[in-house]
Amino acid sequence: QVQLVQSGADVKKAGSSVKVSCKASGVTFSTYTISWVRQAPGQGLEWMGRILPIFGTTDYAQNFQGRVTITADESTTTAYMELSRLRSEDTAVYFCAAAQTGDFEYWGQGTLVTVSS
Amino acid sequence: DIQMTQSPSSLSASVGDRVTITCRASQTIISYLNWYQQKPGKAPKLLIYAASRLQSGVPSRFSGSGSVTDFTLTISSLQPEDFATYYCQQSYSIPFTFGGGTKVEIK
Repeated sequence: QVQLVQSGADVKKAGSSVKVSCKASGVTFSTYTISWVRQAPGQGLEWMGRILPIFGTTDYAQNFQGRVTITADESTTTAYMELSRLRSEDTAVYFCAAAQTGDFEYWGQGTLVTVSS
Repeated sequence: DIQMTQSPSSLSASVGDRVTITCRASQTIISYLNWYQQKPGKAPKLLIYAASRLQSGVPSRFSGSGSVTDFTLTISSLQPEDFATYYCQQSYSIPFTFGGGTKVEIK
């Protein structure tokens, strides 16, 4: 069955960077886009960006332009999201999600990133 | 960016009730509207895609309707496992955007 397994929780200092991984199995990696969606404590869902691994092409939400980088390694069917210049408001659970069109059919379990000052 | 507005933000209902949640887009999204269910501490789960298509494995008590800017998620007979937060999401244009969520609680 399809699984997206994310890296574990992380604690970072304000101003530093974090890189979260998302390993896919049971799915043809090249036929899906991988998006990253975050959820601050007690808040709703916010789409950050996506990658089409077969081409390496990316789209980012304006809110994160210049701070987020999404990459993918087809050989290991793993996608990555790196967020830089962290601030306390970036404390959130970060999800990866796979889609063939625009609906997120499969989700990772989520990774809690805590930013401390 | 397309703004997605859900209503209500929360509701209380009893097992067996019919529940309706609405989602309005700030501009036309044709039928590029998806619905998710999220339980505490869990990832969202896709329920409905393309406004009215039931995702495989989702119970038939869930249904979606609407087009252009106005959409509805209906749970025909609420079950104990349906108490959760529901989100709509437009996939018409980048950036994809979500509604603010509707928390369905036990009356």
